[in-house]
Amino acid sequence: QEQLVESGGGVVPPGTSLTLSCRASGFTFSHFALHWVRQAPGKGLEWVALISNDGRDKSSADSVKGRVTISRDNSRNTLYLQINSLTTEDTAVYYCARDLYSYGWGGGDCWGRGTLVTVSS
Amino acid sequence: QSALTQPPSASGSPTQSVTISCTGTSGDIGYYNYVSWYQQHPGKAPKLIISDVTRRPSGVSDRFSGSKSGNTASLTVSGLQAEDEADYYCSSYAGNNILLFGGGTKLTVL
Repeated sequence: QEQLVESGGGVVPPGTSLTLSCRASGFTFSHFALHWVRQAPGKGLEWVALISNDGRDKSSADSVKGRVTISRDNSRNTLYLQINSLTTEDTAVYYCARDLYSYGWGGGDCWGRGTLVTVSS
Repeated sequence: QSALTQPPSASGSPTQSVTISCTGTSGDIGYYNYVSWYQQHPGKAPKLIISDVTRRPSGVSDRFSGSKSGNTASLTVSGLQAEDEADYYCSSYAGNNILLFGGGTKLTVL
């Protein structure tokens, strides 16, 4: 079945960097745009970044702009998110989500279970 | 990039209907027909229940419906059931490859 599985979370000190991965299976990965969405403990959903199906178009939220890099490897069916200069404000469950469309405007119709990132000294 | 505005809570009795609003601007909800709604139960990933303002994905109950008027989108849950108790989030495309989420609405079935 269609599945997304995130990995790479954990407890990390402030100021460090982290790369999250999201491995896809059960569908044609290269046909769809992908998102990273995060959820701080007890808070709502926050869109983080988007990448088009071919990787040419990327964007990120103002709250993380300049600190995150979204990328994908269509040959490995894998999505990545690198976050630099981590602060406690980045503590959250990070979800990857497949968009309905190749360009990423439609919203996520398939979500992973998320990976928890805790920024703490 | 301002978040969309949702009421923090909503409630209704079983079999009743409840409507949750989601207010944006003329640059997001008011301009694009790319409004989605998600249901999230505690400890679970979000689930898409409405896309493109009114479209219901396969397998989603027809008790869920979406609409839009001006800068405000709405989700209506008809025939409330205990299993509908969850958090609900709206999202909208806002141009320049930016997506916005609402702050979420906690739906309580009385």
